[in-house]
Amino acid sequence: NAGVTQTPKFQVLKTGQSMTLQCAQDMNHNSMYWYRQDPGMGLRLIYYSASEGTTDKGEVPNGYNVSRLNKREFSLRLESAAPSQTSVYFCASSARQLNQPQHFGDGTRLSIL
Amino acid sequence: KNEVEQSPQNLTAQEGEFITINCSYSVGISALHWLQQHPGGGIVSLFMLSSGKKKHGRLIATINIQEKHSSLHITASHPRDSAVYICAVSSNTGNQFYFGTGTSLTVIP
Repeated sequence: NAGVTQTPKFQVLKTGQSMTLQCAQDMNHNSMYWYRQDPGMGLRLIYYSASEGTTDKGEVPNGYNVSRLNKREFSLRLESAAPSQTSVYFCASSARQLNQPQHFGDGTRLSIL
Repeated sequence: KNEVEQSPQNLTAQEGEFITINCSYSVGISALHWLQQHPGGGIVSLFMLSSGKKKHGRLIATINIQEKHSSLHITASHPRDSAVYICAVSSNTGNQFYFGTGTSLTVIP
């Protein structure tokens, strides 16, 4: 049972570089989410996709873009990475929007120098 | 301003002890979630509840909607329960999901 798969698990970037974090789920879930987790702070929602074909901003969307490629996949792109984006990124999915248990990926640890 | 507050931030217990972690929230909610994050970083959903009480094995979660408070109890704690426990709420006024900063639990053999 794969659940939610995130790639890569670790990445180091230089300031100004771009990259895309990939997320895929095999549970036929409608809703998918991207969070970041920083020391001393709770998880914060970056973007979410309530259903295939829709995306919406969360609490901290600046500096990020997302694509809901299909029902399975939801990617997060950093166009021009900044040191403030150093964080652990989690992708999650749920059967429906928000009022369902969320299933999380293992996280991507991203460092920007 | 934190919409979700947890206490304590850190907790150390002896194996076998009864543990309580508290969560208070300030927004109207449609559901409250308890999550567990192990040292390796993975996050697992333990409970989702909107009223009353739920039990799964040695874990019990309760919620008091009027007081905007929830508790997570662990009976007969074990070292494998060592993890960070996170309280989160889904707002009833829009597409918002708020997380507490977590309670780091260490259970000593």
